[in-house]
Amino acid sequence: AQSVSQHNHHVILSEAASLELGCNYSYGGTVNLFWYVQYPGQHLQLLLKYFSGDPLVKGIKGFEAEFIKSKFSFNLRKPSVQWSDTAEYFCAVNNNAGNMLTFGGGTRLMVKP
Amino acid sequence: DSGVTQTPKHLITATGQRVTLRCSPRSGDLSVYWYQQSLDQGLQFLIQYYNGEERAKGNILERFSAQQFPDLHSELNLSSLELGDSALYFCASSANPSGRSYNEQFFGPGTRLTVL
Repeated sequence: AQSVSQHNHHVILSEAASLELGCNYSYGGTVNLFWYVQYPGQHLQLLLKYFSGDPLVKGIKGFEAEFIKSKFSFNLRKPSVQWSDTAEYFCAVNNNAGNMLTFGGGTRLMVKP
Repeated sequence: DSGVTQTPKHLITATGQRVTLRCSPRSGDLSVYWYQQSLDQGLQFLIQYYNGEERAKGNILERFSAQQFPDLHSELNLSSLELGDSALYFCASSANPSGRSYNEQFFGPGTRLTVL
């Protein structure tokens, strides 16, 4: 069975700081990888996704993620965070055998103005 | 707005009761997924329907059931409710369930269930 680990449960940053959120997954086969964001009181929104090709993926709102197959990782990065990035971030995986998503435990990011 | 609607937004009920959560997928999407988000279990996949038929099952309790109707809306039925069933229940939809190429899932706003 596949699983996803997000090691940072809570992150507090000041505006303009750089962000990196860790995500590791366990699954032996081919996977598709995602980062979702959940702003307070809102639904989950897709930030970016990786299927194949260039392991550096660019998403919305200046976010990017790098797939490192040898490390089973898909870390999310943003060079300079804004107060409006305050949200909970979820890493997710699905394999090519099915369309269900397996989510990590989430990371709550607070950006101080 | 993702185009996925869920009703009701909030539901408060008592232990032992039964409730029904409703989801309307985005126009044209054939697949519906249900997820549960709770403090102790995180976000977990419950069940998937595609064009009226069950496609995949996750960590769904036997007290829970779902169905997808001909108009493609879906209902999640939760019965014999327990305190631990209190959670946010999300519905998502996608165009089709193909395993060969991912079809993005669009999430609804969720139904917050509180069992007292």
